[in-house]
Amino acid sequence: NAGVTQTPKFRVLKTGQSMTLLCAQDMNHEYMYWYRQDPGMGLRLIHYSVGEGTTAKGEVPDGYNVSRLKKQNFLLGLESAAPSQTSVYFCASSPPLAGLSVEQFFGPGTRLTVL
Amino acid sequence: GEDVEQSLFLSVREGDSSVINCTYTDSSSTYLYWYKQEPGAGLQLLTYIFSNMDMKQDQRLTVLLNKKDKHLSLRIADTQTGDSAIYFCAESRNSGNTPLVFGKGTRLSVIA
Repeated sequence: NAGVTQTPKFRVLKTGQSMTLLCAQDMNHEYMYWYRQDPGMGLRLIHYSVGEGTTAKGEVPDGYNVSRLKKQNFLLGLESAAPSQTSVYFCASSPPLAGLSVEQFFGPGTRLTVL
Repeated sequence: GEDVEQSLFLSVREGDSSVINCTYTDSSSTYLYWYKQEPGAGLQLLTYIFSNMDMKQDQRLTVLLNKKDKHLSLRIADTQTGDSAIYFCAESRNSGNTPLVFGKGTRLSVIA
């Protein structure tokens, strides 16, 4: 099993450009998450999904949209990138064994720079 | 406050023990987790403790839980240079109906 994979690994955007980050998991997990990690800020939850076709806002959802059209994929979109969105983005997934309390499995991250 | 609190930095000498501390907020948390993040990588689960336990030991790792004080600690015995990483504490909240809440992470530096 590949676990959780993220595409791309690195990306540089200009302000105002759009892009989509792809997260894929092959563990048949119901729950998926998008986080951003910034120095001194730890991990902040952007959006999450408890199943195919459902999404919910996390702590810092503004400027991002998500879609979960297939159970194995969770897409994070930036419609008009801003320098404040320069960050490392992590995707994670977890099985629905005990609600949202269980271990999350993380991808390797996508490093995004917005100029 | 509402945050999971951790000190940001810890420096120890190789061979010494490291103790990383965390305070959390939800007294009904069912699970508490320690994750490790090595440079350039994602987070990996290191260990976890169920809320009805006081202590859990796993080889060089010892987790202590003080529910009264909402305090969690991770002790790494015989710390090695390969233990240098960022360690995140995470708690479940709201009886598992909301995602895990992570602390800001403690950067452990091991000096040879």
